Amino acid sequence: DTAVSQTPKYLVTQMGNDKSIKCEQNLGHDTMYWYKQDSKKFLKIMFSYNNKELIINETVPNRFSPKSPDKAHLNLHINSLELGDSAVYFCASSQDYGGEAFFGQGTRLTVV
Amino acid sequence: DAKTTQPTSMDCAEGRAANLPCNHSTISGNEYVYWYRQIHSQGPQYIIHGLKNNETNEMASLIITEDRKSSTLILPHATLRDTAVYYCIVRDGGATNKLIFGTGTLLAVQP
Repeated sequence: DTAVSQTPKYLVTQMGNDKSIKCEQNLGHDTMYWYKQDSKKFLKIMFSYNNKELIINETVPNRFSPKSPDKAHLNLHINSLELGDSAVYFCASSQDYGGEAFFGQGTRLTVV
Repeated sequence: DAKTTQPTSMDCAEGRAANLPCNHSTISGNEYVYWYRQIHSQGPQYIIHGLKNNETNEMASLIITEDRKSSTLILPHATLRDTAVYYCIVRDGGATNKLIFGTGTLLAVQP
């Protein structure tokens, strides 16, 4: 069974559209994250949730809105997509802060 | 910003030990050293972490200098599947102890 799963794996969409990426973890972890990896391969944290509460919100445009319906899920909704949003988005989870993080396989978003 | 410095790339012969260095001269007393790797087109994978003492698990060994300003990740018998970007990360134990990835070291294991 996949520990951290993301859907979809690939997403191609036009500028201006709204899209969501879903993430689920079956590890019973309390903390979940979203990371963005750009074309230069830099991995940057976007958001962190602990027990469904937002803990970390890096300098991310308001068009990005994470939603955590329960501890096992952290979805990322993106409004009015722009070309610069094209990247690979990784979801991750950890038992708590300081624990090892388990990453999903990533969602490659391409905005055309 | 990342608090670590790593070489951009390294080569290693298959079957040999791969020794990946990391400098973290500004590390503070409550900060841990973490290692992750990212194999092409996959999500990052946790390898090992430590505070002061050397650590070993089924994947690797972590050697931390006594002054804690540098460390070395050792893969004892590198295989082709170990080709990846290896990230050394310094992380504290606070409430917002996020993982900050640097540029990492691209380890290429050669047959």
